[in-house]
Amino acid sequence: GENVEQHPSTLSVQEGDSAVIKCTYSDSASNYFPWYKQELGKRPQLIIDIRSNVGEKKDQRIAVTLNKTAKHFSLHITETQPEDSAVYFCAASIVGNAGNMLTFGGGTRLMVKP
Amino acid sequence: NAGVTQTPKFQVLKTGQSMTLQCAQDMNHEYMSWYRQDPGMGLRLIHYSVGAGITDQGEVPNGYNVSRSTTEDFPLRLLSAAPSQTSVYFCASSRRGGVEQYFGPGTRLTVT
Repeated sequence: GENVEQHPSTLSVQEGDSAVIKCTYSDSASNYFPWYKQELGKRPQLIIDIRSNVGEKKDQRIAVTLNKTAKHFSLHITETQPEDSAVYFCAASIVGNAGNMLTFGGGTRLMVKP
Repeated sequence: NAGVTQTPKFQVLKTGQSMTLQCAQDMNHEYMSWYRQDPGMGLRLIHYSVGAGITDQGEVPNGYNVSRSTTEDFPLRLLSAAPSQTSVYFCASSRRGGVEQYFGPGTRLTVT
């Protein structure tokens, strides 16, 4: 089955700096890669996603890049703000297969210091 | 739309007790699933369903049963609770042909 690894497990940045979180996946058939933000005690919230036919996607201060050959994808957050502090999860799935089930990475705790 | 709802929000069980975690969605989604999240970890798939009457196992199915008699509901049963099942349980749904998973608010389960 699919295996997703995520690094780093914790990341501390100064407000205004950029943050980068990296994930690798094992199943070359995976074609959908979402990123979730989870605040303490809350459900995961989708913040951005990318399909395998796209190399990069951007939404305001967040962007995701995908390298299919190397089987890795990354989340980039620019101009970080204290409210970006949360746990971020990457995931991978094969769209249309087995109900779009997701395999998650282990998470990155991002702390943005004011 | 209420989206995906889960009950209860919190539950404490003793080892060996049984219970059912409820999940319902009002978006007419064909796909539904259960994940568990242990402290400091990502979500892991327990069971999933691609439609009424169809269920299958995920990554960590042992100790859990599911059934799907309607499109709206997907209950998760713990037959004999164990401390290893202490976790936060999330239900999710998505539509056939879509990609986004819609998560419920979660049930925090403690087994003593």
